[in-house]
Amino acid sequence: QQQVKQSPQSLIVQKGGISIINCAYENTAFDYFPWYQQFPGKGPALLIAIRPDVSEKKEGRFTISFNKSAKQFSLHIMDSQPGDSATYFCAASTDSGTYKYIFGTGTRLKVLA
Amino acid sequence: GAGVSQSPSNKVTEKGKDVELRCDPISGHTALYWYRQSLGQGLEFLIYFQGNSAPDKSGLPSDRFSAERTGGSVSTLTIQRTQQEDSAVYLCASSLRLAGAYEQYFGPGTRLTVT
Repeated sequence: QQQVKQSPQSLIVQKGGISIINCAYENTAFDYFPWYQQFPGKGPALLIAIRPDVSEKKEGRFTISFNKSAKQFSLHIMDSQPGDSATYFCAASTDSGTYKYIFGTGTRLKVLA
Repeated sequence: GAGVSQSPSNKVTEKGKDVELRCDPISGHTALYWYRQSLGQGLEFLIYFQGNSAPDKSGLPSDRFSAERTGGSVSTLTIQRTQQEDSAVYLCASSLRLAGAYEQYFGPGTRLTVT
């Protein structure tokens, strides 16, 4: 019940296209859902995050869509650029206890020029 | 301001040796986390420190792993009698840990290779 399932494992998108990465969870106590971007040799960097009281959050070209009833959330990268090529991790956390993150297994995105 | 820093950036050690990994959190952040990222895998929670509270050690994979946080700031993760399966990137993150402030900020990690 603590798992966060992420798909796809890898994704190739043409420049200018839309990249979509999906995550699903079981634990209804989760109430914070961040997305992290990681470049090779670097630590993960917070990209965007959402709480379950909203269904969508947009920051620039990055949008999180959240479906509470389905226990799913997704990251959409509009107008994908070669510089977006990285590994993306979704995560979930709860406000009880440690706030530790449960991470998805990651999606390696490659945007072709 | 300065982000989370970790040292060393790379560590190669022989099987059976002990290693110490260091994390300097963002100044003022009261919460500190250690995660492990194995090759091609997601991030696995190891341990959590918050102020003077007892740490949450629920993610430590064996009793060969331990961590401490001195003075509420710098943390050291120690792995005793290293095994090849300990090879991974060890990531540290810190957070303000205020109500509603969940954001964790990660360091660059220490890549540990056990030969």
